[in-house]
Amino acid sequence: DIQMTQSPPSLSASVGDRVTITCQASQDINKYLNWYQQKPGKAPKLLIYDASNLQTGVPSRFSGSGSGTDFTFTISSLQSEDSATYYCQHYNNLPITFGGGTQVEIK
Amino acid sequence: QVQLQQSGPGLAKPSQTLSLTCAISGDSVSTNSATWNWIRQSPSRGLEWLGRTYYRSKWYNDYAVSVKSRLTINVDTSKNQFSLHLNSVTPDDTAVYYCVRDQQWLVLHYYMDVWGKGTTVTVSS
Repeated sequence: DIQMTQSPPSLSASVGDRVTITCQASQDINKYLNWYQQKPGKAPKLLIYDASNLQTGVPSRFSGSGSGTDFTFTISSLQSEDSATYYCQHYNNLPITFGGGTQVEIK
Repeated sequence: QVQLQQSGPGLAKPSQTLSLTCAISGDSVSTNSATWNWIRQSPSRGLEWLGRTYYRSKWYNDYAVSVKSRLTINVDTSKNQFSLHLNSVTPDDTAVYYCVRDQQWLVLHYYMDVWGKGTTVTVSS
């Protein structure tokens, strides 16, 4: 199975800050990597697909980059409504696996 | 707008079979451009993909090794829904269970764009 390692597990930042989350795959997954946002009590929501494509309707402050084993997710200017947990997910092969999540808190 | 409506009990006893159903609106379970998945989430396991069903001229199922011997995913095309049946459950199966559409947007490229609201399942005697 491909292991997805996210860091940091949690972070605290102020409104307007730039926030960066990393996701490392245990083997090459090309760009088969998606990012999701999950708020308490809700299902995950797709933000970024194939490493860098912004899902329709998602604010442009969210972005992603990377390929192979190393990926980055960025919020360019953190907003209060971005308080959530963020997950990466690969689909290079089965089983599909997710990262452990990064909890983003607003200071 | 595609929606997934989950139904099923929130409580199961150890050794019983857990059954959940996911009714699809706005899409067809028989579509050639998506797979239909079950994913669960617990504090101990995080987000865990359990299995999927999909139609590509015939029906296919894939299961996670961790549950393969206990999990069956069925399809009811007449009701446009799919279901999860997990037998011999233990407290370790306690989790929030989601049904999810994994949409193919390009050949071999997928994203999970539609999720059910989730069903909290507790396994306890």
